[in-house]
Amino acid sequence: GEDVEQSLFLSVREGDSSVINCTYTDSSSTYLYWYKQEPGAGLQLLTYIFSNMDMKQDQRLTVLLNKKDKHLSLRIADTQTGDSAIYFCAETGGSYIPTFGRGTSLIVHP
Amino acid sequence: DAGVIQSPRHEVTEMGQEVTLRCKPISGHNSLFWYRQTMMRGLELLIYFNNNVPIDDSGMPEDRFSAKMPNASFSTLKIQPSEPRDSAVYFCASSHRDRGVSPLHFGNGTRLTVT
Repeated sequence: GEDVEQSLFLSVREGDSSVINCTYTDSSSTYLYWYKQEPGAGLQLLTYIFSNMDMKQDQRLTVLLNKKDKHLSLRIADTQTGDSAIYFCAETGGSYIPTFGRGTSLIVHP
Repeated sequence: DAGVIQSPRHEVTEMGQEVTLRCKPISGHNSLFWYRQTMMRGLELLIYFNNNVPIDDSGMPEDRFSAKMPNASFSTLKIQPSEPRDSAVYFCASSHRDRGVSPLHFGNGTRLTVT
């Protein structure tokens, strides 16, 4: 079945850029999503990219998609302490049901 | 838009008791999902509904788990009898299928502790 892989932790210094990576296996993926989960809350959609795009930018967020390698990344510029959270990658392929990764815990320290 | 509303936020119960979790999806959404989140297994899809009809319940761990969606604005997830290994955060999410991009909108979850 489909699989989405992410590293579990990322630690960065405040003000630096963060890059969270994700790989997936479903070659029929149509939409790829990034969600953010803050403590005690549900997952919140951050951004998404359609599979025929290779980049999408939204303020401090940049999503890069390498469809050939099935690799998705989320770059957060000028990372702030408020960006500390768990970030989930998800993809929808033939089914509209998203497959989620395990999530990457982003820790931002001063 | 009030978002997806779940209740209760926290539930502490003793093993063997019945637990009912509730969800109100976003108005106009026609798909509803129940997820369970634990440290060990991450986010697991338990069941999802489309137009109030259960489509896939293969993620429901055992017969002790059941879910209903009597109308478009309400769903329940019931565990009877509950066991300590059911302790987790349970999320409800909704979306509008048939749209090109249909991200899930999550509630804030119910943290269940079974002692």
